[in-house]
Amino acid sequence: QKEVEQDPGPLSVPEGAIVSLNCTYSNSAFQYFMWYRQYSRKGPELLMYTYSSGNKEDGRFTAQVDKSSKYISLFIRDSQPSDSATYLCAIHTSGTYKYIFGTGTRLKVLA
Amino acid sequence: ETGVTQTPRHLVMGMTNKKSLKCEQHLGHNAMYWYKQSAKKPLELMFVYSLEERVENNSVPSRFSPECPNSSHLFLHLHTLQPEDSALYLCASKGGGELFFGEGSRLTVL
Repeated sequence: QKEVEQDPGPLSVPEGAIVSLNCTYSNSAFQYFMWYRQYSRKGPELLMYTYSSGNKEDGRFTAQVDKSSKYISLFIRDSQPSDSATYLCAIHTSGTYKYIFGTGTRLKVLA
Repeated sequence: ETGVTQTPRHLVMGMTNKKSLKCEQHLGHNAMYWYKQSAKKPLELMFVYSLEERVENNSVPSRFSPECPNSSHLFLHLHTLQPEDSALYLCASKGGGELFFGEGSRLTVL
């Protein structure tokens, strides 16, 4: 079983839609959960960083963690064409150097 | 000057060539990473250096040889590569629990 599972997409939505991106993980010891955005021909950049179960909001982005189900989500409200990118979930355990990434979900927001 | 700079951005090499990828970080971080990114695969951790000491070596073939002369610079020396090594190679530095990535070096092995 992979440590982190993420649907690679692609996912196409119309402008203004609410987007839901998801990952599942297998090891309950993981503590930190991140979402990175990667534009074409660029390196990943951190969007959201959470530690506990529950929701964290930043503008149009909401990160959700459900540790009991080992499920993390990223919601994008009022999606824009500029949100078109690949979104990678990542998981980390304190005291280690390992960051484990999902495959990334490619998102296209159509104008 | 961006936080993490990688050169070259693009590299084409034959299977018998020797080349190097360079990474430089201007963030004052102590840990630096090499990841390999291939299409439809998760980022694969290759090497991690902390304070110039290698702390992770993820069963990477010996044709990839890392070097970390100081906490700001990281190299990946390449020799006798295979076509399946064609990928985007990402460098990152670690600060405050977050990884800061460079823009990557796109490698094509002919």
